[in-house]
Amino acid sequence: GNSVTQMEGPVTLSEEAFLTINCTYTATGYPSLFWYVQYPGEGLQLLLKATKADDKGSNKGFEATYRKETTSFHLEKGSVQVSDSAVYFCALIGGTQGGSEKLVFGKGTKLTVNP
Amino acid sequence: EAQVTQNPRYLITVTGKKLTVTCSQNMNHEYMSWYRQDPGLGLRQIYYSMNVEVTDKGDVPEGYKVSRKEKRNFPLILESPSPNQTSLYFCASRRFVGEAFFGQGTRLTVV
Repeated sequence: GNSVTQMEGPVTLSEEAFLTINCTYTATGYPSLFWYVQYPGEGLQLLLKATKADDKGSNKGFEATYRKETTSFHLEKGSVQVSDSAVYFCALIGGTQGGSEKLVFGKGTKLTVNP
Repeated sequence: EAQVTQNPRYLITVTGKKLTVTCSQNMNHEYMSWYRQDPGLGLRQIYYSMNVEVTDKGDVPEGYKVSRKEKRNFPLILESPSPNQTSLYFCASRRFVGEAFFGQGTRLTVV
């Protein structure tokens, strides 16, 4: 079935550092890919998405590009802020293995940004 | 405002006392699901529903029940809660293939 592997944390950075959180997936066909963010004490919210190969999703300074050739969807931000401290989840849905009924998540990566 | 509403946000209960966590969405989404979130285990799907009166087991359904009598509501029922069901629970809704919208979460403690 479909699966998502993302880098384990925790990740600790200083303010204005560059962020990369790796995410790779296993699925046939063309799933839709997502990054969700969970701030402390809150539910998950969609950060960005991409629905086809070479699409770039972007939001709040974060970016991720759907790479079919490497089955990856790495999250990047050029300059993180303390307010970006949260848990980040990579996820996918769809493809052609009959996985459209299930949103598959990675295990999450906790990011802490220090002033 | 598009939203998924869960209640209660926090609940402490005793072993064996039946409880229900409610979930409601106002986006006319067909698909709803319940997850539990535990440290080191990420999000695990408990049950999902593809439409009214259509429900199916997720990855960890044991000890839980659900019903989908109306499109907007998808309650989670614990008939006889046990301490290993202490967790953070999330309800989510979406269109069939699309991004999910999550509730704020219910932190359940079973003593």
